[in-house]
Amino acid sequence: KAGVTQTPRYLIKTRGQQVTLSCSPISGHRSVSWYQQTPGQGLQFLFEYFSETQRNKGNFPGRFSGRQFSNSRSEMNVSTLELGDSALYLCASSLAEISTDTQYFGPGTRLTVL
Amino acid sequence: SQQGEEDPQALSIQEGENATMNCSYKTSINNLQWYRQNSGRGLVHLILIRSNEREKHSGRLRVTLDTSKKSSSLLITASRAADTASYFCATHTNQAGTALIFGKGTTLSVSS
Repeated sequence: KAGVTQTPRYLIKTRGQQVTLSCSPISGHRSVSWYQQTPGQGLQFLFEYFSETQRNKGNFPGRFSGRQFSNSRSEMNVSTLELGDSALYLCASSLAEISTDTQYFGPGTRLTVL
Repeated sequence: SQQGEEDPQALSIQEGENATMNCSYKTSINNLQWYRQNSGRGLVHLILIRSNEREKHSGRLRVTLDTSKKSSSLLITASRAADTASYFCATHTNQAGTALIFGKGTTLSVSS
């Protein structure tokens, strides 16, 4: 089976712009989670989706949003980008309905905000 | 907030030596998982240990869990240069609607 794929792999944006990141889970996985990784804060949970429903949301401002489609693919959007949004954004999929079991991570999208 | 805290933050050893990393957490858990991340890439799941388990093995990996002390350890035996990576523990708590919470990781460097 193909692994989790994320597009694009690298992005450079300027402050105030918005960005959309995409994640395709492993075939058959219906649970998708997003994480932000920065050197200072480490890995922080953003959202979790299952069957197009947001099951869980981390402590991030409303500028961060996401959605999941009927084919389990997921997107996350960050509006009005700030310098502090520069990070590696990781997507993970899971076979389980809730993200308590093994999560399979994609390679990440490296976002740089100038 | 961080649920898991790894110790040490960085570890340097020679090939063939064993590497031990520790993880402490604050609240009761359903399970604890260890992941590896090679420089700037995605995370790879290593092992999951449930709250009612005390020890698990997978190849050269041995994980222990002490729920009374709220701590876990990851032992990598006979380390290889390819084990050089960051290692994270992640916990899933008993609180409804929570997700995996990761620690800040231990950076392991194995030199040949």
